[in-house]
Amino acid sequence: SQQGEEDPQALSIQEGENATMNCSYKTSINNLQWYRQNSGRGLVHLILIRSNEREKHSGRLRVTLDTSKKSSSLLITASRAADTASYFCATDTIQGAQKLVFGQGTRLTINP
Amino acid sequence: DAGVIQSPRHEVTEMGQEVTLRCKPISGHDYLFWYRQTMMRGLELLIYFNNNVPIDDSGMPEDRFSAKMPNASFSTLKIQPSEPRDSAVYFCASSYPLGGNQFFGPGTRLTVL
Repeated sequence: SQQGEEDPQALSIQEGENATMNCSYKTSINNLQWYRQNSGRGLVHLILIRSNEREKHSGRLRVTLDTSKKSSSLLITASRAADTASYFCATDTIQGAQKLVFGQGTRLTINP
Repeated sequence: DAGVIQSPRHEVTEMGQEVTLRCKPISGHDYLFWYRQTMMRGLELLIYFNNNVPIDDSGMPEDRFSAKMPNASFSTLKIQPSEPRDSAVYFCASSYPLGGNQFFGPGTRLTVL
């Protein structure tokens, strides 16, 4: 069953704008991670947020986690054409921190 | 480090043939994962290993699929016999035990005709 579900499924914005993607999940977690996948490539890890953290930053990325709502958001500020990719959230479970379940992803397109 | 290495990058075969996908994880990583990605089902975990031992194979779709990890630097995923519905991109990933994040290979695009 799907643990993480991203919203929206697709997002198209102009270069320089901010992009926000959301992820909802169903069961208790240890960590939530975000990955990026460029077309035809493997996934690349972006950021990991632990269940006891509420917000985390990495460069132009900002991730929030609300465990009471079982949701997370990924904000990319000042978007660039190179940010065009699919973005996935991945959750583990309390029982197995190594086993990740990925959502269906948000396809982000940055228009020049 | 070269990252996770997968071969072949593309495989086209006919229904009924045996297919073997290969993976070399990042040196020092204790966990190895096999995933399958399709448009319909997204990214699915097939099986993962810890220190060469299969831990969870509940995602392996059928007995036609098998995976081995004979040593810390090599793993195979075999499909025998292959069917058109097995067409997908297969990813291998590896991770440290406490790292959490996984490092993905470039994938093998499998087409079964």
